[in-house]
Amino acid sequence: DAGVTQSPTHLIKTRGQQVTLRCSPKSGHDTVSWYQQALGQGPQFIFQYYEEEERQRGNFPDRFSGHQFPNYSSELNVNALLLGDSALYLCASSLFRGTYEQYFGPGTRLTVT
Amino acid sequence: GQSLEQPSEVTAVEGAIVQINCTYQTSGFYGLSWYQQHDGGAPTFLSYNALDGLEETGRFSSFLSRSDSYGYLLLQELQMKDSASYFCAVRGGAGTASKLTFGTGTRLQVTL
Repeated sequence: DAGVTQSPTHLIKTRGQQVTLRCSPKSGHDTVSWYQQALGQGPQFIFQYYEEEERQRGNFPDRFSGHQFPNYSSELNVNALLLGDSALYLCASSLFRGTYEQYFGPGTRLTVT
Repeated sequence: GQSLEQPSEVTAVEGAIVQINCTYQTSGFYGLSWYQQHDGGAPTFLSYNALDGLEETGRFSSFLSRSDSYGYLLLQELQMKDSASYFCAVRGGAGTASKLTFGTGTRLQVTL
């Protein structure tokens, strides 16, 4: 049973650039949530996708956008990167109508220089 | 808004019992979850409480008191592999897939 996968594992970008991160949910899951985790902090909710629509959004600017594909995989896009965007980006999958457990992927470590 | 407070660090001896506390302030409460995260790893689900009382899963137990806006995670028979960060998180809505708001985490160090 494949778990949540994310790509790439590490990424280095320059301030002002754009980045796309990818996530494949656990087999059977239909909902993908994205979180940003700064060093030494808890994950912060960015947004959630279900049925290819953004269902919930956290307190993040419009520079953060996403997409969900028919196969439930998802992308997170960040435009006009800032130094403060450097963080671990986590993808979590779940069932929209299921248990309360969310399954997290290993994350993408983004460094903005 | 929602905020959660946890101790930043806890140290305990292998074989001992440790309790990690979490107090929360929320505009609406739908449940408290606990996640474990090893350095460089993904958060993994440990337990969930929607109602008052104790939930037990092996060596881990979690307690919730909604009237006190308080919960704790109890780890028994500590092992070296339990050294990790532990996060409490509240759900943002009634749906099972609702967003989670995490605390800042408690770093547990288990020593010999």
